[in-house]
Amino acid sequence: AQSVTQLDSHVSVSEGTPVLLRCNYSSSYSPSLFWYVQHPNKGLQLLLKYTSAATLVKGINGFEAEFKKSETSFHLTKPSAHMSDAAEYFCVVSRAGGYNKLIFGAGTRLAVHP
Amino acid sequence: EPEVTQTPSHQVTQMGQEVILRCVPISNHLYFYWYRQILGQKVEFLVSFYNNEISEKSEIFDDQFSVERPDGSNFTLKIRSTKLEDSAMYFCASSVGGRDEQFFGPGTRLTVL
Repeated sequence: AQSVTQLDSHVSVSEGTPVLLRCNYSSSYSPSLFWYVQHPNKGLQLLLKYTSAATLVKGINGFEAEFKKSETSFHLTKPSAHMSDAAEYFCVVSRAGGYNKLIFGAGTRLAVHP
Repeated sequence: EPEVTQTPSHQVTQMGQEVILRCVPISNHLYFYWYRQILGQKVEFLVSFYNNEISEKSEIFDDQFSVERPDGSNFTLKIRSTKLEDSAMYFCASSVGGRDEQFFGPGTRLTVL
């Protein structure tokens, strides 16, 4: 069985400072891992994905995540937060090579202060 | 840029009534999905649909639920005899293939009174 734990329900940062959103996963298979973002009144948008290629994955808007099998983690980072980054972020897992059924974490709400 | 659309954005219904949530997937996509998020809880997979049949469904997706692609553009989720606990945000998604990125709609907020 697969599951995802997002370690923080809320994260607050100042504009221009680094962002770290933490995610741990559990999977019986080699997983595919994703980060999705949801801005208010918008659909879920894919930020980046890991599918067993490079362990450091770069996504849109300057975000990246590193797959660490030994730590079963897939933390999302960004060197410098922007006001427009304020949103809800979801860490998601599915079976390796398959996107079909996505399993979501509980989400982390990111607030960015001026 | 093509996007998944959902209507209505908010649906209020009385317990026991039937509701139909509508989605228009991206036009060249072949796989369709429904997810839901009860307030304060995780986004949960409900069902995936391909080639006019269900390819996978969760334990939540019981006989109360059904999906349909009535024409070449719409994908619907029908909930019969709604219950209070069906109140949630329902998300539709679509993808080109079963292993491709899923594109999500903005959701329909269903409130059952």
